[in-house]
Amino acid sequence: EADIYQTPRYLVIGTGKKITLECSQTMGHDKMYWYQQDPGMELHLIHYSYGVNSTEKGDLSSESTVSRIRTEHFPLTLESARPSHTSQYLCASSESGRGQSYEQYFGPGTRLTVT
Amino acid sequence: AQSVAQPEDQVNVAEGNPLTVKCTYSVSGNPYLFWYVQYPNRGLQFLLKYITGDNLVKGSYGFEAEFNKSQTSFHLKKPSALVSDSALYFCAVRGPLGNQGGKLIFGQGTELSVKP
Repeated sequence: EADIYQTPRYLVIGTGKKITLECSQTMGHDKMYWYQQDPGMELHLIHYSYGVNSTEKGDLSSESTVSRIRTEHFPLTLESARPSHTSQYLCASSESGRGQSYEQYFGPGTRLTVT
Repeated sequence: AQSVAQPEDQVNVAEGNPLTVKCTYSVSGNPYLFWYVQYPNRGLQFLLKYITGDNLVKGSYGFEAEFNKSQTSFHLKKPSALVSDSALYFCAVRGPLGNQGGKLIFGQGTELSVKP
């Protein structure tokens, strides 16, 4: 079944640790996105990708980095986690090109807590 | 700039009554509008969209939304609310063509509470 996956679902980690949040999709989509959902519940785009080897920063400044080596995989990395990184991180994907449906499909999210 | 507003932080409805969750938008050009639902500790789930065509759009779980160009609104509706509809609802508009991969611009969310 086509879906979008995120691991881990929950992560509690100490300040200064390096972490990678995984996102994979079997939807066959070219476009992928990372959103950060703050405690006030609004979502903000932090990274996006048009396809393999394409990565761009979004609206919200983020110290995280992303990579897109394979179409289905879009991991997010924090080199040195800080308490200000505590948030929910949502990965999404969407079609591209002629006949695209425009909606984005979201993974279940990773809730990150940095102590 | 594209933007979306959800004027109500919370909507309370009795089970069996109709529900409306409000959304207004501001865009340049034709709007591409979406509704999503988020259950606790889950990702966003797509409900419905308006791209073009009929102003009344039907979606998942009995939800529908009415696109009103003159009022720049896209309110989400359901004729008879269920307790299981209690969740956080987000309205979104697609960003300008070619901008940031077609990102979605979200409203601040509306918490829907349906009481038995």
